[in-house]
Amino acid sequence: EDQVTQSPEALRLQEGESSSLNCSYTVSGLRGLFWYRQDPGKGPEFLFTLYSAGEEKEKERLKATLTKKESFLHITAPKPEDSATYLCAVPPNTDKLIFGTGTRLQVFP
Amino acid sequence: GAVVSQHPSRVICKSGTSVKIECRSLDFQATTMFWYRQFPKQSLMLMATSNEGSKATYEQGVEKDKFLINHASLTLSTLTVTSAHPEDSSFYICSARDAEENYEQYFGPGTRLTVT
Repeated sequence: EDQVTQSPEALRLQEGESSSLNCSYTVSGLRGLFWYRQDPGKGPEFLFTLYSAGEEKEKERLKATLTKKESFLHITAPKPEDSATYLCAVPPNTDKLIFGTGTRLQVFP
Repeated sequence: GAVVSQHPSRVICKSGTSVKIECRSLDFQATTMFWYRQFPKQSLMLMATSNEGSKATYEQGVEKDKFLINHASLTLSTLTVTSAHPEDSSFYICSARDAEENYEQYFGPGTRLTVT
């Protein structure tokens, strides 16, 4: 069964304290793994797509990596404005995305 | 690029009335659009998938007569909540898939529906 699991559920960091979010997936035929950021009361904002194991993408303080079983979203020296819920998702086919339950990140000054 | 808009951002309606939510892809053509519902502190729940010019495909448990979806053009899909009741109050989010991309979905900002 196709499945996406994210951990931790919530993460509290001090400003500047680097950490990583995990997304484990089980899917029959990976067609990409997507990371989104969602702020309260807003729709998800697209961050990255990763297609194959070993691939890495970076954007400002965020870096996403992919293995055959999981993806990590590394946050380097986070700032309070990085506080949000981070979602990962995989498409089992073209018509759907399976989402993880997200990691709620809070960064304190 | 890949901007999706929704209108309205918030709507309050009385029980028994109908509400229409619009979803537009602003800078690309979307062969497929998706409608999600999200409850507080929960992940997105897919309600239906719509393809331009054809009937929407609803997920199990979603009432197609209550949630009417129309995808009349490559840039516009609408969701109409008919005979709304307080339990329909929720955050509704649409997304669109770029016809030229693979499987990425780009999301709108969401619509907060409150039924009184």
